[in-house]
Amino acid sequence: GESVGLHLPTLSVQEGDNSIINCAYSNSASDYFIWYKQESGKGPQFIIDIRSNMDKRQGQRVTVLLNKTVKHLSLQIAATQPGDSAVYFCAENLRTGGSYIPTFGRGTSLIVHP
Amino acid sequence: DTEVTQTPKHLVMGMTNKKSLKCEQHMGHRAMYWYKQKAKKPPELMFVYSYEKLSINESVPSRFSPECPNSSLLNLHLHALQPEDSALYLCASSQGTASGRNEQFFGPGTRLTVL
Repeated sequence: GESVGLHLPTLSVQEGDNSIINCAYSNSASDYFIWYKQESGKGPQFIIDIRSNMDKRQGQRVTVLLNKTVKHLSLQIAATQPGDSAVYFCAENLRTGGSYIPTFGRGTSLIVHP
Repeated sequence: DTEVTQTPKHLVMGMTNKKSLKCEQHMGHRAMYWYKQKAKKPPELMFVYSYEKLSINESVPSRFSPECPNSSLLNLHLHALQPEDSALYLCASSQGTASGRNEQFFGPGTRLTVL
């Protein structure tokens, strides 16, 4: 089965609210975790990553939290805007045959209401 | 230039046709990838090229044939496809695959429909 999964397939929020997208993973040996945003008709776009030796990383309006104890990853988006509406995928970089290859989770559709 | 381009954007083909998807990047990346994405699903890895050599083939049927003519170009040759192969085909590139921190840059994809 999948080693990376998401708890909520769809998340609806009001503009200006904070959004939290969750992700569970099963491979404790993964070195990096990445969040991607995929807008309709486009390919996934890198948002932020976090190394396994960190528990928090902040970007512009986004924060990723990593809890290795329970193998949980979350993406927090502050002051969510309509332009944040997209599908969000978490991915873990698994070492396969000497190469690190991202394995994508199921995705969460974020819908931002004006 | 941080863009990955893919052509064509849309492709409709019959099961007996032969077609090719093309991908190009000029970021100096040495790893390139093909993914298949079905509606409302995550991208599924098909192939990885590292330094123009095929390094990973995720048990993809032989009706999909990748080719990396040089470090900037990646093709996917299609022959005798099935309707279930209809999907969005995404190309991506990254600096390499040796580091866990390999940010992938994705193209917009080719929407393939097999009739």
